[in-house]
Amino acid sequence: DIVMTQTPLSLSVTPGQPASISCKSSQSLLHSDGKTYLYWYLQKPGQSPQLLIYEVSSRFSGVPDRFSGSGSGTDFTLKISRVEAEDVGVYYCMQGNTFGQGTKLEIK
Amino acid sequence: QITLKESGPTLVKPTQTLTLTCTFSGFSLSTSGVGVGWIRQPPGKALEWLALIYWNDDKRYSPSLKSRLTITKDTSKNQVVLTMTNMDPVDTATYYCAHRRITIFGLGLPPDYWGQGTLVTVSS
Repeated sequence: DIVMTQTPLSLSVTPGQPASISCKSSQSLLHSDGKTYLYWYLQKPGQSPQLLIYEVSSRFSGVPDRFSGSGSGTDFTLKISRVEAEDVGVYYCMQGNTFGQGTKLEIK
Repeated sequence: QITLKESGPTLVKPTQTLTLTCTFSGFSLSTSGVGVGWIRQPPGKALEWLALIYWNDDKRYSPSLKSRLTITKDTSKNQVVLTMTNMDPVDTATYYCAHRRITIFGLGLPPDYWGQGTLVTVSS
């Protein structure tokens, strides 16, 4: 089974500053169709997870452009260009049916 | 607009069977490539995938829970039902259902739309 490992597990960011979360898979996520199905979610406090990024770098409908995804193979990154107060919560990467452990973002 | 909503008991006793229903709108489970899955989250912990069912009645289960789970669909009612037997306090969690898709190559994709979740507590 593929294992998804996120780092860091928590981070504290000043509003307006950037943030970056890493997600590493134990096997390459490049599929034979040429696509890589790595997804990113944000679970805000008290809410269900919401899809931010699909297929490594495509923003889901309504997601602000301060969120971006990148990576290939086994190494992936979610970046927030300028953190806002509403970005607090836990971020998860996912492939197939496997989630990362989650990264908790808080505001300084 | 895709929406999903979970329903079921908020409290179950140890050893009982849990039955949860996911009622959805905005898509049909008779459409090729479409699925509905269940994920749970114990309080303060990470997400855990449980089961999913596709339009063609293909069913997938978490290996660690497979013996306790059954997922079914009622396409006419736009519902998916999850049953989990032999409930234990460690099964206390918020249970989510979510819209899923599968590629033409048979690869299951992560969820895109999620329900609001329902908290189930297991206690005597």
